[in-house]
Amino acid sequence: QLQLQESGPGLVEPSETLSLTCTVSGGSLTYNGYYWGWIRQPPGKGLEWIGSVHYSGSTYFNPSLRSRVTISLDTSESQFSLRLSSVSAADTAVYYCARLATRYRSGRYLPAWFDPWGQGALVTVSS
Amino acid sequence: QSVLTQPASVSGSPGQSITISCTGASSDVGGYNFVSWYQQHPGKAPKLMIYDVNNRPSGVSNRFSGSKSGNTASLTISSLQAEDEADYYCCSYTSSSTIVLFGGGTRLTVL
Repeated sequence: QLQLQESGPGLVEPSETLSLTCTVSGGSLTYNGYYWGWIRQPPGKGLEWIGSVHYSGSTYFNPSLRSRVTISLDTSESQFSLRLSSVSAADTAVYYCARLATRYRSGRYLPAWFDPWGQGALVTVSS
Repeated sequence: QSVLTQPASVSGSPGQSITISCTGASSDVGGYNFVSWYQQHPGKAPKLMIYDVNNRPSGVSNRFSGSKSGNTASLTISSLQAEDEADYYCCSYTSSSTIVLFGGGTRLTVL
């Protein structure tokens, strides 16, 4: 059974870079048709997709965060990571890693659903 | 940022059925069958309940069903149980630059 687990610092200072890692067990990062990425949820608020990447290098990013986001895969370690630069208090949230299933349409793999999800990691931005 | 529109809250009594709507546009819900629904209990990660509008993953109760009409998708929960009390989010692919949209979430209360 595929499982995902987030890890990383729970506290980041403003203007610094937030870094999280997601470790995948029970499966491979090289499944065709699946992307790997991140979704966040500010306290008491809804879900916001950050971005997802495929082992081939194909990527999808939320345009509102794209300039600050890097997502990288380490297939040998079955891990992928998130880096979010120049953080502020508005970036305080629970960060989830998740596998993104896609559907092939018109020559592209289009995002379809997220499953499974990690348990989430709370990251607070504060000095 | 664009979101899919869901009612903030719905409620129902045990044994009843409820429906949660998710309204988008022709560029997302109306144009593609890539609508999914997630259940989230307090302090827990979201769980996939419905994918591709009306498909249930293995292990999800058949009391949960999905449908779509025009630009609005719906999640119906029949024979409500206390354990169904949670937040529910819809999600859709969009052909706009946003790519992936989530609804604002609906709090389901089982009376």
